[in-house]
Amino acid sequence: DVKVTQSSRYLVKRTGEKVFLECVQDMDHENMFWYRQDPGLGLRLIYFSYDVKMKEKGDIPEGYSVSREKKERFSLILESASTNQTSMYLCASSGGNTGELFFGEGSRLTVL
Amino acid sequence: GQNIDQPTEMTATEGAIVQINCTYQTSGFNGLFWYQQHAGEAPTFLSYNVLDGLEEKGRFSSFLSRSKGYSYLLLKELQMKDSASYLCAGILTGGGNKLTFGTGTQLKVEL
Repeated sequence: DVKVTQSSRYLVKRTGEKVFLECVQDMDHENMFWYRQDPGLGLRLIYFSYDVKMKEKGDIPEGYSVSREKKERFSLILESASTNQTSMYLCASSGGNTGELFFGEGSRLTVL
Repeated sequence: GQNIDQPTEMTATEGAIVQINCTYQTSGFNGLFWYQQHAGEAPTFLSYNVLDGLEEKGRFSSFLSRSKGYSYLLLKELQMKDSASYLCAGILTGGGNKLTFGTGTQLKVEL
């Protein structure tokens, strides 16, 4: 069964802490994405990657960075977490011609 | 960026038919997706339209008019389990398979 796996379902961090969110996919997809989802705002793209070591800014990259050292793994990094980064974070991957996204279960981050 | 608009919420009766509309800017558009998302869960793929017309898949159908920048998702024989958020998402030419999502339509199915 094809899968996108996010390392943590729930995290609680303090303001100023460094946060790593990990995502692994087993579908050999080239493209990987990080979205955040907030009530009333929908899914907003933070960063995406077309290939290993490639990254592109999405619509809201401020305060975030990413790493793609291996094809199957895409990490989202919050260098210094702030309360406005409290959100649901969704990782997704896609491959082939249609662009269909396969999502992970999500990581709900609370920053206190 | 691409603006995608859909109603915030809708209510319908079990067994009925409901149509959820989505409008978008037509420039650079290359395809439209519908996803379903139950509370606390990840979005799951429902349909993809790249050509004009209706795509039917069981109780769910999706329609696209590229010239009008308009799509709808049609749900027939509504069931309580169809209560969920329905997300419209567009993919742009040259966007590298990057999807832009609307804010979602929260559908509530009542008895």
